[in-house]
Amino acid sequence: DAGVIQSPRHEVTEMGQEVTLRCKPISGHNSLFWYRQTMMRGLELLIYFNNNVPIDDSGMPEDRFSAKMPNASFSTLKIQPSEPRDSAVYFCASSLGDYNSPLHFGNGTRLTVT
Amino acid sequence: GQQLNQSPQSMFIQEGEDVSMNCTSSSIFNTWLWYKQDPGEGPVLLIALYKAGELTSNGRLTAQFGITRKDSFLNISASIPSDVGIYFCAGPPLYRDDKIIFGKGTRLHILP
Repeated sequence: DAGVIQSPRHEVTEMGQEVTLRCKPISGHNSLFWYRQTMMRGLELLIYFNNNVPIDDSGMPEDRFSAKMPNASFSTLKIQPSEPRDSAVYFCASSLGDYNSPLHFGNGTRLTVT
Repeated sequence: GQQLNQSPQSMFIQEGEDVSMNCTSSSIFNTWLWYKQDPGEGPVLLIALYKAGELTSNGRLTAQFGITRKDSFLNISASIPSDVGIYFCAGPPLYRDDKIIFGKGTRLHILP
């Protein structure tokens, strides 16, 4: 079992640039979640998908953030344009989809916007 | 928004000591989850609790689902250096059972 795979592990970019984070969920999982982790706010849910359809994007902070899931094995989180306050660790997680199913997290992408 | 309140925020203990941390909410939860995050990695599930009053162990870890369904605790017995990390409680609140929310974590440090 390969687990949830995220890329890149680290991303350093300048303010104003576009950033794309990638995630491959565990095969067979039909729910996918994007979280952001900062010291101040902890783990915040940004958006989640069920069967590739966005269900709740109320956690997406601004229109600069967008997420897609074109198929069951791939999702992207894009920030355009990026700002220094977007610096954080972004986690992708997947689950079997019912509320009793625990989340399985990737190792995250550490984003630094200068 | 709904919050899970974890305490303490951080702990400094000696190796071999027992650890206790808890999580409370003003909302009812059907499931309580405890995760651990090691530096540079994503959170990993330690224990899942599905029924009020349930007491579950996983090695040196023991967790309980409070009978009010609004709280849970996690105990670690005889701590060892690899227990260092951040411990999160999490769960889907009853009013929104499709959405798992996380506490802010308890950071465990073990003194040499």
